[in-house]
Amino acid sequence: AQKVTQAQTEISVVEKEDVTLDCVYETRDTTYYLFWYKQPPSGELVFLIRRNSFDEQNEISGRYSWNFQKSTSSFNFTITASQVVDSAVYFCALSEAWGATNKLIFGTGTLLAVQP
Amino acid sequence: DGGITQSPKYLFRKEGQNVTLSCEQNLNHDAMYWYRQDPGQGLRLIYYSQIVNDFQKGDIAEGYSVSREKKESFPLTVTSAQKNPTAFYLCASSPPGSRSNYGYTFGSGTRLTVV
Repeated sequence: AQKVTQAQTEISVVEKEDVTLDCVYETRDTTYYLFWYKQPPSGELVFLIRRNSFDEQNEISGRYSWNFQKSTSSFNFTITASQVVDSAVYFCALSEAWGATNKLIFGTGTLLAVQP
Repeated sequence: DGGITQSPKYLFRKEGQNVTLSCEQNLNHDAMYWYRQDPGQGLRLIYYSQIVNDFQKGDIAEGYSVSREKKESFPLTVTSAQKNPTAFYLCASSPPGSRSNYGYTFGSGTRLTVV
């Protein structure tokens, strides 16, 4: 069975702190894709990153970075020097077969509150 | 600009009524999806469609129905058989295969409340 676990329900930090959002996944497939989405208060989900199972290189995009480790089935997301605009719910998601059903399986999300 | 339009943004339904949520996309995407979001439960797949005139049940299809008569449109009907319809509903679309590196494109959602 496929499953995505985001154990952190809520995180509160003060602006400029670094914060890491955890994501652990389960899948039997050898080929799969992992995603992070941001959901601001407006409700729309915004795509942040997609990573395929064959690429374990860490990725950095500005203040955002992602650490993918197949050995621990984790795909963690770090925000460096957090800002108030980073306050949102963040979802990690798994897609087992891109090109087949394309179904995304989501974790329960982590609510990040960045205090000024 | 291309995107997904969901309407209405807020919807109130009396118990026993059917209501239809609209989802329209102008991205020329083949696949469309409906998700339900409840607090603490993430997003759960209701229905999805890979092509016009075809759709499949997701994990929580009971009490819902869909149609896909046009590529651009994928309306969701919440029937009176849905026991707890109060939730936030998100529509999404994606191109087939690996043509996009951006996963799904989501609409801004419809918040349905049973009164």
